[in-house]
Amino acid sequence: SQTIHQWPATLVQPVGSPLSLECTVEGTSNPNLYWYRQAAGRGLQLLFYSVGIGQISSEVPQNLSASRPQDRQFILSSKKLLLSDSGFYLCAWMRQGRVPSGYTFGSGTRLTVV
Amino acid sequence: GENVEQHPSTLSVQEGDSAVIKCTYSDSASNYFPWYKQELGKGPQLIIDIRSNVGEKKDQRIAVTLNKTAKHFSLHITETQPEDSAVYFCAASNDSWGKLQFGAGTQVVVTP
Repeated sequence: SQTIHQWPATLVQPVGSPLSLECTVEGTSNPNLYWYRQAAGRGLQLLFYSVGIGQISSEVPQNLSASRPQDRQFILSSKKLLLSDSGFYLCAWMRQGRVPSGYTFGSGTRLTVV
Repeated sequence: GENVEQHPSTLSVQEGDSAVIKCTYSDSASNYFPWYKQELGKGPQLIIDIRSNVGEKKDQRIAVTLNKTAKHFSLHITETQPEDSAVYFCAASNDSWGKLQFGAGTQVVVTP
């Protein structure tokens, strides 16, 4: 069966510090991978998605970047965090195919920038 | 791009009653409509989905209906239980890359 791991679960970082959040998927190959941010406990905003190693598409210009160094690994980074980067970050994967299907989300990382 | 609106933002129901959440979408090319349930501090979980070639789908106490002409779809939860309390999100996609556009969410509270 497929599983998705996301870490850390919580993170408190000072303004101006770097960030690295990691997501890995097991039990499947060549998944589509996504990073979403959820602010104020509600709406989900798509940040990045990837359909293959080294292929990253950004949805929203911002202080963050993403990388996919391996098939089932997706990393969200920042060189210098801003207060506005605080939020709940969710990684998700979807099986590649001609038609969309449901995501499986990770358990999320609660980031607080202080 | 796709825009999804979700109503209501908050829904309180008595245990045993039904709950209905409605969403509208803007892109007539959208063909996939999932619903997610998010419990406090956790990632959203897919609970049911429907494709544009189907008008209704049921799974035990949960059902989803789709009206392509009006571009809206709804989630119906019957015989609600306290464990149904959560935030529910609708979403839509017309994209082979699988990008989902989410609604703003509905906080459902089921009171015993």
